[in-house]
Amino acid sequence: AQSVTQLDSHVSVSEGTPVLLRCNYSSSYSPSLFWYVQHPNKGLQLLLKYTSAATLVKGINGFEAEFKKSETSFHLTKPSAHMSDAAEYFCVAQKSSGDKLTFGTGTRLAVRP
Amino acid sequence: AAGVIQSPRHLIKEKRETATLKCYPIPRHDTVYWYQQGPGQDPQFLISFYEKMQSDKGSIPDRFSAQQFSDYHSELNMSSLELGDSALYFCASSTITSGESYEQYFGPGTRLTVT
Repeated sequence: AQSVTQLDSHVSVSEGTPVLLRCNYSSSYSPSLFWYVQHPNKGLQLLLKYTSAATLVKGINGFEAEFKKSETSFHLTKPSAHMSDAAEYFCVAQKSSGDKLTFGTGTRLAVRP
Repeated sequence: AAGVIQSPRHLIKEKRETATLKCYPIPRHDTVYWYQQGPGQDPQFLISFYEKMQSDKGSIPDRFSAQQFSDYHSELNMSSLELGDSALYFCASSTITSGESYEQYFGPGTRLTVT
């Protein structure tokens, strides 16, 4: 079985400062890992994905994440937060291609002016 | 580019009624997934279909059933609705393309409210 743990339920940053959203996974194998973003009353949008290629993954809107097998982590970062980044972020694992997605509990990012 | 379409977007039903949610995948996608997201919760996998056959089943109540049709659209049928069924229901679709994994593309969701 696999599980995803998002270490912070809420993160608040000032506009223009770095963003760090933490995610750890637990699995007996190396899953594919994703970050999805959900804006209020909106659907889920894929930010980036890791599928055993490069460990540093670049996504949309300036986000990136680094897969660290030794730490079983897949933290999401962005150098400079924008007001439009305020949303719910989900770290997601997938056992293999075509399999269901397992979501973390989410981190709500607030961006202060 | 075409996206996943879900209908209706909003649905209000009373307890013990039935509801049908529809999902139209991205053209040429052969796999459909259904997820349920309760208020303040993370999405939970319900069921998936590949080439019109059920491929996996998660925490879907026996009161719910689903199928995928010949045109690859899918319907989630929910009977004897309970207050706890109030949630956002997402459909996602995918297919394997050359050299890529089964990335799942999500629809906007159907918000079901049971009163």
